[in-house]
Amino acid sequence: AQRVTQPEKLLSVFKGAPVELKCNYSYSGSPELFWYVQYSRQRLQLLLRHISRESIKGFTADLNKGETSFHLKKPFAQEEDSAMYYCALSSGTYKYIFGTGTRLKVLA
Amino acid sequence: GAGVSQSPSNKVTEKGKDVELRCDPISGHTALYWYRQSLGQGLEFLIYFQGNSAPDKSGLPSDRFSAERTGGSVSTLTIQRTQQEDSAVYLCASSLYGSYEQYFGPGTRLTVT
Repeated sequence: AQRVTQPEKLLSVFKGAPVELKCNYSYSGSPELFWYVQYSRQRLQLLLRHISRESIKGFTADLNKGETSFHLKKPFAQEEDSAMYYCALSSGTYKYIFGTGTRLKVLA
Repeated sequence: GAGVSQSPSNKVTEKGKDVELRCDPISGHTALYWYRQSLGQGLEFLIYFQGNSAPDKSGLPSDRFSAERTGGSVSTLTIQRTQQEDSAVYLCASSLYGSYEQYFGPGTRLTVT
């Protein structure tokens, strides 16, 4: 079955510290993986997707097919990174599977 | 232009009543999605529209849930005989056909008492 697992409900880090939000997936084919973010009082929005291999707001994510992971990383956390982060998988069709989300709190 | 809009923003209803939730997608977006977000849960895919057609309704939790889309634009999610377990935030998203990027609305918070 298709599944996305985000093992941490809450991750607290100090400003300037590295951040890694974990995402593991279960899918038998070649999925598309995404990270969505929801800042306080804002809408859910796309942060990045693996196929574009780009860095957005200093965040990167590498798809590791061997470990079936798509962890989100940033070398130096900023207070404005505090938000809810969701990992999502698409099989290439219309259906998206979202994880339960990780709340990131960046402490001053 | 305007983003995806949803109404109402909040809805409190009594158990057993029917409710209608509305979604106005971004103009020109042919794909429309409904999700449900329950407390402590991720986003649960409910249904997808391409134009006015819904090729897959298997995500709808029960036959009390239905959705339609008219004119390739506005969509309505209807929940009949609401139950307390239907309490959740219902999110709508739209996208251009073939695009992976979904644009989300602000959601409707449904509380069934």
